[in-house]
Amino acid sequence: DVKVTQSSRYLVKRTGEKVFLECVQDMDHENMFWYRQDPGLGLRLIYFSYDVKMKEKGDIPEGYSVSREKKERFSLILESASTNQTSMYLCASSSVGGRGKNIQYFGAGTRLSVL
Amino acid sequence: SQKIEQNSEALNIQEGKTATLTCNYTNYSPAYLQWYRQDPGRGPVFLLLIRENEKEKRKERLKVTFDTTLKQSLFHITASQPADSATYLCALDTGRRALTFGSGTRLQVQP
Repeated sequence: DVKVTQSSRYLVKRTGEKVFLECVQDMDHENMFWYRQDPGLGLRLIYFSYDVKMKEKGDIPEGYSVSREKKERFSLILESASTNQTSMYLCASSSVGGRGKNIQYFGAGTRLSVL
Repeated sequence: SQKIEQNSEALNIQEGKTATLTCNYTNYSPAYLQWYRQDPGRGPVFLLLIRENEKEKRKERLKVTFDTTLKQSLFHITASQPADSATYLCALDTGRRALTFGSGTRLQVQP
C-alpha cells in the first residue's frame, strides 16, 4: 500500500522559530509537493521537487524553503515562523508517469500553530 | 485570471439521493481533471480521473463528466450514504507536474 508519512500531526511553535516539516514517501516517486490548506482558499502549492536536489517554486513560496537530499524525503522549512503561517500543511508525491498519470498521494497533514 | 470554482456552501442531501457537485474553471486548458475526497483532519485521497476527450467516467457509485466547452466538471454520487460525507476537491492537470486544486465542496449526507 502506498504511503506518504508526515513527521508530525500537530505542531505549536513561537514566532521567529525555525520550523522543519518532514515528509517521507515509500513509492519511489520522482515528484514531491508541499501545499498549505486554509479555509476557503483550498490547497495552495508552496514548492515542489521533481528530483533529488531539484526544486521549483509554487504559487506561494515566500517565507518557505525546501530541501530534498534523498529521493524519499522532502522537507519544508520555515526560516522564521510567523503567525500568518498557521495552517494545515500537506505533503504529496506522484510518479513521473506521463500525461494523465499525475495522481497525487497525500500524507495526513501537519497542523501548525504559530503563536 | 485563472480560477477554479467549487461551491463553497455545503451540500446537504438525504441518504439514497444522488449528490451532484460542480467544478468550474476559467482560463485553463486542462488535459485531465481529477477528483479527490478529503475527510476532516486527513489528506485528500484520489477518486477518479477523466481526460479532456472523455465525456463521462464511472466507478461504482461515482460518475464524473467533463465538458471542455462549458469548462465544467460534474461529480455525481448515486445512492448516497452517510459514509460519503466528506469534502470533495477537483484538480486540474494542465501538463505541469503540479495539479491546481479547487477549494472543495463539503457534502453532508443525512441518514
